[in-house]
Amino acid sequence: DIQMTQSPSTLSASVGDRVTITCRASQSISSWLAWYQQKPGKAPKLLIYKASSLESGVPSRFSGSGSGTEFTLTISSLQPDDFATYYCQQYNSYSHGTFGQGTKVEIK
Amino acid sequence: QVQLQESGPGLVKPSETLSLTCTVSGGSISSYYWSWIRQPPGKGLEWIGYIYYSGSTNYNPSLKSRVTISVDTSKNQFSLKLSSVTAADTAVYYCARGPRLGYCSGGSCYSTPIPFDYWGQGTLVTVSS
Repeated sequence: DIQMTQSPSTLSASVGDRVTITCRASQSISSWLAWYQQKPGKAPKLLIYKASSLESGVPSRFSGSGSGTEFTLTISSLQPDDFATYYCQQYNSYSHGTFGQGTKVEIK
Repeated sequence: QVQLQESGPGLVKPSETLSLTCTVSGGSISSYYWSWIRQPPGKGLEWIGYIYYSGSTNYNPSLKSRVTISVDTSKNQFSLKLSSVTAADTAVYYCARGPRLGYCSGGSCYSTPIPFDYWGQGTLVTVSS
């Protein structure tokens, strides 16, 4: 099984800050990596797919990078609507797509 | 716009079988793989399994012995059954489109990875007597 490890688990930041979340895969997944945003009581929302492609309708302050085993999600200027939990997910393995444990972005 | 809606009992007794259905609207269930994903209260996301419209399935090894996913293309629905439930199965259950898209070219058929791009709103299932 491919394991996904996100860091940090919790991140405290202020509006306007640049925020970076890291996701590491236990083996190479090429660029088959997605990022999701989840708010309390809501389903996850797709932000980034194929490591760096922005889903339609997602603000351009969100960006993704990486390939192989190391990936990052960056929010260039944190907005009040961005306080949420973020998950990475690999979808390379034909067995199943697995998620990171999540990163909660809190107000500092 | 594709929409997914989960339905089923919100309360299941221990040792019984949890049954949920996901209805897909705004698009055909064909060509895509469809998944069930769950989230225990306050915890992360766990993929349960997926089904292709043809009926082929793949399950999370940790749940494989208890999970059955089926599809009804005439109703544009797919369903989840999880047997012998315990309190540890209490979670919000989501249905989602993905993680693959099937296609045929030159007489052969393939599939390509896709993310979970459409999700249902989720339904809380509590296991309790």
